[in-house]
Amino acid sequence: AIQMTQSPSSLSASVGDRVTITCRASQGIRNDLGWYQQKPGKAPKLLIYAASSLQSGVPSRFSGSGSGTDFTLTISSLQPEDFATYYCLHDYNYPFTFGPGTKVDIK
Amino acid sequence: EVQLLESGGGLVRPGGSLRLSCAASGFSFSTYALTWVRQAPGKGLEWVSSILGSGDSAFYADSVKGRFTISRDNSKNTLYLQMNSLRAEDTAVYFCAKELGYDDAFDIWGQGTMVTVSS
Repeated sequence: AIQMTQSPSSLSASVGDRVTITCRASQGIRNDLGWYQQKPGKAPKLLIYAASSLQSGVPSRFSGSGSGTDFTLTISSLQPEDFATYYCLHDYNYPFTFGPGTKVDIK
Repeated sequence: EVQLLESGGGLVRPGGSLRLSCAASGFSFSTYALTWVRQAPGKGLEWVSSILGSGDSAFYADSVKGRFTISRDNSKNTLYLQMNSLRAEDTAVYFCAKELGYDDAFDIWGQGTMVTVSS
């Protein structure tokens, strides 16, 4: 099975900061990667699919890039509602695998 | 409105069984693959199982293979997860999720149902 890693595991940032989270796959997955945001007690929310496509209704401050094994999620200007945990998920083949998550909290 | 609603969670003893349901509305149910994802208390997300729209093909995480069975009833717009031989490590919130369609990402999620395996 393909393994996914994320870095950092957590970060502290301020409103207005530019935030970058990275995700690495143990083998090439083309661009078959999504990014999800989860707030405590809530279901995950799809932000980015196919590595760089913005899901409908998601603010344009979120962007994704990468292909092959290395991917990034960028929040261009962190807003108060963006404090959450972010997960990558490869959907290249079964079994799908989530990354371990990156918790973004307030500095 | 597109919606998924899980039910069937609860407390079960180790070795026991439970069946989760996920009722769907607002979309053409049989068109989309559906998935179960779980989250143990305080832990990250874990993909559990997926089933294609026709129900002909199903896929499982190694951690549940041979113990869990995913199925769907397209006439009832309902997804199921039959969980047998439950273990303490299966304790989690179980979410059902729908694929986008033009991508395998999950665009719609249920609210989750809690499964606790304990004696």
